[in-house]
Amino acid sequence: GIQVEQSPPDLILQEGANSTLRCNFSDSVNNLQWFHQNPWGQLINLFYIPSGTKQNGRLSATTVATERYSLLYISSSQTTDSGVYFCAVGGYMRFGAGTRLTVKP
Amino acid sequence: DTEVTQTPKHLVMGMTNKKSLKCEQHMGHRAMYWYKQKAKKPPELMFVYSYEKLSINESVPSRFSPECPNSSLLNLHLHALQPEDSALYLCASSRPGAGSNQPQHFGDGTRLSIL
Repeated sequence: GIQVEQSPPDLILQEGANSTLRCNFSDSVNNLQWFHQNPWGQLINLFYIPSGTKQNGRLSATTVATERYSLLYISSSQTTDSGVYFCAVGGYMRFGAGTRLTVKP
Repeated sequence: DTEVTQTPKHLVMGMTNKKSLKCEQHMGHRAMYWYKQKAKKPPELMFVYSYEKLSINESVPSRFSPECPNSSLLNLHLHALQPEDSALYLCASSRPGAGSNQPQHFGDGTRLSIL
């Protein structure tokens, strides 16, 4: 099956810093989503982005499908951005292991 | 994604109990999914229903029994569970065409603890 790798596994930032999270996948996909799982376990859909670039406030994402990777950018990070960020690909949503982000005040 | 509603939010049960998890959506989606998420791990697919028919069972033990009684409702019946089944159970739905290029919408999950 398709392999999904996310990096870095852990990231600690000071409030206000910017960051880039990466998702590599092993095969062509027609579906890619980025999620944020907050400390209460809620899985929040950030982007549906099988290709191209999207922006939503301080967050943006880019998927280069031909090179099999996607990037999630977080600018001016806030403590509420803390949690785990998952990339999931494919029609049946295979998830990467996630990036655990901690934003310190 | 609060458009997918899961109940209960928390469930504690003994190994001999029978209980059910419920998932409901009113977005007209015809594909529905159950995922299991252990602590500090990503969600893993358990079952897929497409047009109310089971299309994928990811080798899940028979003590988990899914049911899709109509296009809006998905149940997961639990019986004789083991302590290692303690996890967060997530439901998701998507537009027609399970396995296609449609985004999935997730509920808030049921946190299950087996005593």
